[in-house]
Amino acid sequence: DQQVKQNSPSLSVQEGRISILNCDYTNSMFDYFLWYKKYPAEGPTFLISISSIKDKNEDGRFTVFLNKSAKHLSLHIVPSQPGDSAVYFCAATADTDKLIFGTGTRLQVFP
Amino acid sequence: GAGVSQSPSNKVTEKGKDVELRCDPISGHTALYWYRQRLGQGLEFLIYFQGNSAPDKSGLPSDRFSAERTGESVSTLTIQRTQQEDSAVYLCASSSQRVDYGYTFGSGTRLTVV
Repeated sequence: DQQVKQNSPSLSVQEGRISILNCDYTNSMFDYFLWYKKYPAEGPTFLISISSIKDKNEDGRFTVFLNKSAKHLSLHIVPSQPGDSAVYFCAATADTDKLIFGTGTRLQVFP
Repeated sequence: GAGVSQSPSNKVTEKGKDVELRCDPISGHTALYWYRQRLGQGLEFLIYFQGNSAPDKSGLPSDRFSAERTGESVSTLTIQRTQQEDSAVYLCASSSQRVDYGYTFGSGTRLTVV
């Protein structure tokens, strides 16, 4: 049972444009959501997070939006840069238990 | 060290052999997690240690998999009688008590069973 889903395995965006990565979840007990970025041969690195009491969190070029009624979150990257090319994982947790990860979306930013 | 350290970085083993993977978490992090990523798949939870509590083993795929942790220090993940489907990158992460602050991952051990 996949509790966290990333339905787009890949996304290609031109440099300077907006990248939008989507994530859906099924467990209504999740109360904290995180995005991780992973480069090849490296471990995932934490990017940005959001609590379920908020609907938006912004950090520089990265913004995460949460729609609790739709059980949907998205990561916006504006403007996209070639160095953003990586695999992005969303993750969720309930009551500070372990993180449940999605399957990832490979973002490619081309010049 | 400053980060989570995993060893070995790569391991090739013959089917049926046992392997042991090691993780050194960040000093002071009470929680330690093992995940794996098989080719083309997401991050699959395996096991979670939190302080002196009983570990959450709910993600271990079979009884061939086991893990230990010494206090709030080193952890080893052991896979007995390896199978080809065990081939994956095994990732270790540690965190402070607040997992919502995020984990810090190691670079992983790439296990190939031939």
